[in-house]
Amino acid sequence: QQQVKQSPQSLIVQKGGISIINCAYENTAFDYFPWYQQFPGKGPALLIAIRPDVSEKKEGRFTISFNKSAKQFSLHIMDSQPGDSATYFCAAYSGAGSYQLTFGKGTKLSVIP
Amino acid sequence: NAGVTQTPKFQVLKTGQSMTLQCAQDMNHNSMYWYRQDPGMGLRLIYYSASEGTTDKGEVPNGYNVSRLNKREFSLRLESAAPSQTSVYFCASSAQGVVEQYFGPGTRLTVT
Repeated sequence: QQQVKQSPQSLIVQKGGISIINCAYENTAFDYFPWYQQFPGKGPALLIAIRPDVSEKKEGRFTISFNKSAKQFSLHIMDSQPGDSATYFCAAYSGAGSYQLTFGKGTKLSVIP
Repeated sequence: NAGVTQTPKFQVLKTGQSMTLQCAQDMNHNSMYWYRQDPGMGLRLIYYSASEGTTDKGEVPNGYNVSRLNKREFSLRLESAAPSQTSVYFCASSAQGVVEQYFGPGTRLTVT
């Protein structure tokens, strides 16, 4: 049972455009939502994360928007650059002694010049 | 400070062979994890060790065993490899009480 649904599977964006990746979850016990960035041949690396007590978090060109009532969150990459081309994973964590991150299936982003 | 290291980087096994994937971290983290990554499936947790001396099953533990050798090292063993275990394996670690996980570079395993 997939608890975090991520879309789209792949995304092509022009340089300078906005990339948007969406995730939806079902488990209301989730209380921490990180995004990971993975370049080919490398391990995932934490990009940005949000807790449900805020609706938005921004770090540079990367913004997470969070809608608690809809149980959805999204990653926006402003002014997308070719160097942003990577696979992005959303994830969710339920805390309460759990050590398990539940990952979405990933979105492969290609930023073309 | 190397972070999380994994050996080997690549491995080819025949069905039925056994092998151990090694993972070490130098960040003094308490918790360590093993994931597998398959195309279109994201990352799935195989086993984790919340602290030295403890291990627990994750989402897909069948066919695997783990050993938390000490605080730094966490190994994953395939006793009798199957083609379904062809995957990229990632080790990760996190500090106590901290959710952020740091991943190693991965081991690409092919079972023929």
